[in-house]
Amino acid sequence: AQSVSQHNHHVILSEAASLELGCNYSYGGTVNLFWYVQYPGQHLQLLLKYFSGDPLVKGIKGFEAEFIKSKFSFNLRKPSVQWSDTAEYFCAVGLMDTGRRALTFGSGTRLQVQP
Amino acid sequence: NAGVTQTPKFRILKIGQSMTLQCAQDMNHNYMYWYRQDPGMGLKLIYYSVGAGITDKGEVPNGYNVSRSTTEDFPLRLELAAPSQTSVYFCASSPLGVRGLNSPLHFGNGTRLTVT
Repeated sequence: AQSVSQHNHHVILSEAASLELGCNYSYGGTVNLFWYVQYPGQHLQLLLKYFSGDPLVKGIKGFEAEFIKSKFSFNLRKPSVQWSDTAEYFCAVGLMDTGRRALTFGSGTRLQVQP
Repeated sequence: NAGVTQTPKFRILKIGQSMTLQCAQDMNHNYMYWYRQDPGMGLKLIYYSVGAGITDKGEVPNGYNVSRSTTEDFPLRLELAAPSQTSVYFCASSPLGVRGLNSPLHFGNGTRLTVT
């Protein structure tokens, strides 16, 4: 069955540290890829998306993600995190040509940034 | 511009009670979704709709029902509440894309439901 995996469930970093959150999916066809962020007490918001073209995409607040097709991965990165980046991060995949009509979400990674 | 509005924000139900979670969007989006969010489990799709009068089951539809009589509204109905339905429920919408898979989702603020 097609699935989306986020292996890091809880990540704790100090401010200014670099961040990389993993996202892998199990589907060999065409995909659309998203990262969403949920700040404490708020709803999910779109960070960035990839549909086609340059596999390195830049989003809001200094985040970027790289699509590596051969590894079925779409990892999220930020060179230097801030305390305000404390949030839960969700990877989501649109599995094209499967008949699915909705995104498939990973289980999320909780990021805690210590000042 | 309100976006996606969910009501109520919080609710406590007793086992066996019924309730409707309301969701409305003012962006004229065709696609609407109901997800539940459980700790460590991410978001699971309950039901979705591709337009007024059309609904379909997601991954975890048991114990829920939906209707879509208008483009704007997509209520979620719990008929006989069970403790397993304790969760945070998010409604979302997206404009018409390729089967809804290439349009970013716009989420509501969620409804925190506790069933005791």
